[in-house]
Amino acid sequence: EAQVTQNPRYLITVTGKKLTVTCSQNMNHEYMSWYRQDPGLGLRQIYYSMNVEVTDKGDVPEGYKVSRKEKRNFPLILESPSPNQTSLYFCASSLGGANTEAFFGQGTRLTVV
Amino acid sequence: AQSVAQPEDQVNVAEGNPLTVKCTYSVSGNPYLFWYVQYPNRGLQFLLKYITGDNLVKGSYGFEAEFNKSQTSFHLKKPSALVSDSALYFCAVSSPGATNKLIFGTGTLLAVQP
Repeated sequence: EAQVTQNPRYLITVTGKKLTVTCSQNMNHEYMSWYRQDPGLGLRQIYYSMNVEVTDKGDVPEGYKVSRKEKRNFPLILESPSPNQTSLYFCASSLGGANTEAFFGQGTRLTVV
Repeated sequence: AQSVAQPEDQVNVAEGNPLTVKCTYSVSGNPYLFWYVQYPNRGLQFLLKYITGDNLVKGSYGFEAEFNKSQTSFHLKKPSALVSDSALYFCAVSSPGATNKLIFGTGTLLAVQP
């Protein structure tokens, strides 16, 4: 089954404690991206990757890092989480960039206290 | 700069009635337009997209959307709503010159009453 898998689904952490949210896709897609969803703001792009070892900032990259060492994986790293990063996070992949149908993971609800 | 507006936070409709969820956009050049649906505790699912051609696009679950270039709109429609259509709907836009960026609207909550 074609899917994008994120882990964990839920996470509560404390300010400053480094964390990683994993994302993996099994569709051999080249394009992957991370979004955060906040009430009244819709989805905002954090980072994206056009291919292995190619990543770039989206609209809200501050406080986040990503890496793309393999085509299937695109982890999101919060080196020093802060309460304003409490949000619902989605990973997505698509075959040919943002102009093609995106497949989304089920989301990670992160709370930073 | 690209932008998407969904002017209604919530749309209420009775089961069996037609529904419309509104979306307007701003983009340089010809737009690629999308609708996604999010059910509770789930990720977004693709419904339909417009790239070029016929202004009426048909998608999943009986939904369709009408592209109107002069009004820069891409409204989502369904002739007869179901209670199971109740969900959060997002309009999104990208452009041929920006293959890395998909801009989402703020979402519209559709509530279908039995």
